[in-house]
Amino acid sequence: QVQLQESGPGLVKPSQTLSLTCSVSGDSISSGSFYWSWIRQPAGKGLEWIGRMFSSGTTNYSPSLKSRVTILGDTSKNHFSLKLNSVTAADTAIYYCARYAKVGGTNAFDIWGQGTMVTVSS
Amino acid sequence: QPVLTQPSSHSASSGASVRLTCMLSSGFSVGDFWIRWYQQKPGSPPRYLLYYHSDSNKGQGSGVPSRFSGSNDASANAGILRISGLQPEDEADYYCDTWHSNSKTVVFGGGTKLTVL
Repeated sequence: QVQLQESGPGLVKPSQTLSLTCSVSGDSISSGSFYWSWIRQPAGKGLEWIGRMFSSGTTNYSPSLKSRVTILGDTSKNHFSLKLNSVTAADTAIYYCARYAKVGGTNAFDIWGQGTMVTVSS
Repeated sequence: QPVLTQPSSHSASSGASVRLTCMLSSGFSVGDFWIRWYQQKPGSPPRYLLYYHSDSNKGQGSGVPSRFSGSNDASANAGILRISGLQPEDEADYYCDTWHSNSKTVVFGGGTKLTVL
């Protein structure tokens, strides 16, 4: 079955770049059937959509993060990445990668990684 | 882009039925959106439950019991997640989300913490 696994540093210094990778198994990010997304969740708070990428390289980002975010895919490694620039303590959160797939007449985040905690602190 | 508002908490007794709401902000009509629902238990990622747009356009996630169902309340301009026959394991946070095509963004509600008494 399809599995997603986030990886990356758990601690990032303020003003630096947060970099995470989501490894995909059981499916290909280049298959053209799905969007691959990043979502985050500060401790004790709700979910926030960060953005998504399609196999073609097309991306969409949250307006509130758009100036600082890049999502890229690496088809040779079958993973996609998140880069968030100029981080502050407000970016401290659990970061999830998720597959955004067609479900009936819409799309939904049908498969999620387990999440990785990232703390922004000096 | 739209804002989805959910009550922060809700409680109900085991065996009861609950309606969790996901209200769409002014200027947007719930009938124009596809609302998706997720369940999240402590320490776990969210789990996709179902989507609802209309009675002829709705669907259940894989393995999701039929006790979970979706609907709309046009008068409240809200999507509804109904859980019937509440079980202790239904105690969780529930999130709604939707896709806004004009801004090409996904919007999440703030989530409702459901307590089963």
